[in-house]
Amino acid sequence: DVKVTQSSRYLVKRTGEKVFLECVQDMDHENMFWYRQDPGLGLRLIYFSYDVKMKEKGDIPEGYSVSREKKERFSLILESASTNQTSMYLCASSTHPGSSTDTQYFGPGTRLTVL
Amino acid sequence: AQSVAQPEDQVNVAEGNPLTVKCTYSVSGNPYLFWYVQYPNRGLQFLLKYITGDNLVKGSYGFEAEFNKSQTSFHLKKPSALVSDSALYFCAVRERTPGAGSYQLTFGKGTKLSVIP
Repeated sequence: DVKVTQSSRYLVKRTGEKVFLECVQDMDHENMFWYRQDPGLGLRLIYFSYDVKMKEKGDIPEGYSVSREKKERFSLILESASTNQTSMYLCASSTHPGSSTDTQYFGPGTRLTVL
Repeated sequence: AQSVAQPEDQVNVAEGNPLTVKCTYSVSGNPYLFWYVQYPNRGLQFLLKYITGDNLVKGSYGFEAEFNKSQTSFHLKKPSALVSDSALYFCAVRERTPGAGSYQLTFGKGTKLSVIP
């Protein structure tokens, strides 16, 4: 089974802090994604990566950056956390588009609260 | 641009009754379509997907979905609802044509399903 793990289930940070959210997948997937989930808004894509050291902006990249130094690990960075970044953050991974097993698999999520 | 609509924020159904969770989509070409379920304080779990072929797709936990190209719909169904099916359900779409945009799934806003004992 695909396993996607996230470093923390719950995180509380203060405004202005630099925050790192880590995601690791064990299925040798090429693609990795970071979403945020807010009530009434569904899931919105922040950034994704289709290869090591490659990244693409999603729909809401402002205030975030990402790092992918190894294939299995994709980090989301909040350079200076703000209260409007309080949210549930979900990481996902998938194989290359068009493959027969192309499905995004999600981690358990990190609920981040910024005070 | 691709988009998904889930017209109902909440669906209530009695245990044992059939359930339907609605989804309509918009893409410029042919779609890949997905359903995911989310239990409280958990990540999303994959239920089923439509890639090509048979319009009726069967998935996990007895769920199925029917792809209707003319109505651009992909409704999720189950013949007999269980209380344990109560969760948040998300429909998602992706453009099938290879390209940079084909990596991205676009999700609906979710439908909360409540199955009443």
